[in-house]
Amino acid sequence: DAGVIQSPRHEVTEMGQEVTLRCKPISGHDYLFWYRQTMMRGLELLIYFNNNVPIDDSGMPEDRFSAKMPNASFSTLKIQPSEPRDSAVYFCASSFWSLGWSGNTIYFGEGSWLTVV
Amino acid sequence: SQQGEEDPQALSIQEGENATMNCSYKTSINNLQWYRQNSGRGLVHLILIRSNEREKHSGRLRVTLDTSKKSSSLLITASRAADTASYFCATEGGADGLTFGKGTHLIIQP
Repeated sequence: DAGVIQSPRHEVTEMGQEVTLRCKPISGHDYLFWYRQTMMRGLELLIYFNNNVPIDDSGMPEDRFSAKMPNASFSTLKIQPSEPRDSAVYFCASSFWSLGWSGNTIYFGEGSWLTVV
Repeated sequence: SQQGEEDPQALSIQEGENATMNCSYKTSINNLQWYRQNSGRGLVHLILIRSNEREKHSGRLRVTLDTSKKSSSLLITASRAADTASYFCATEGGADGLTFGKGTHLIIQP
């Protein structure tokens, strides 16, 4: 399996521009997670989906952030307008998650490195 | 939400020595997991220990869990240069996915 695929790997954009990050989860996984990693705050869960439906978006920092999952094999995280403080590494991860089972693990993509100048 | 905190934040040892990292968390958990992140890469799952387990081994890795103290340790024996990475503990307590700590940055000196 190719694993979780993210694009772009690196993006540099100017403040105020729209940024779209893309993710293809592992086939068959029914959960998809978006995380953000910074030195100051570590790894933060932004939002996660179950069977393409957003379950918890309480980690999304502001209305400037939005995420969609139109089908089981594709998700986007959009920032509009972008700001310098959004500079971070954004990870997509997927899993076959079973509630009540104590062995769930998740698989990460290689991340999208975003710099907003 | 519950969150693991790793200790130390950074650790530098000589190749061949053992490396020990600790993780503390706040509330009851279903399991605790350790992940590794190489520079510029995504996180990779290493090992999972369930709340009813006290110790687990996988190759050169040994994980312990003390639920009474809400703490876990990761031991890497006979360290190698390739073990240089950041190590994260993650806790699962229910339906909200995994919550990660800020990691321990491990450097193995040749």
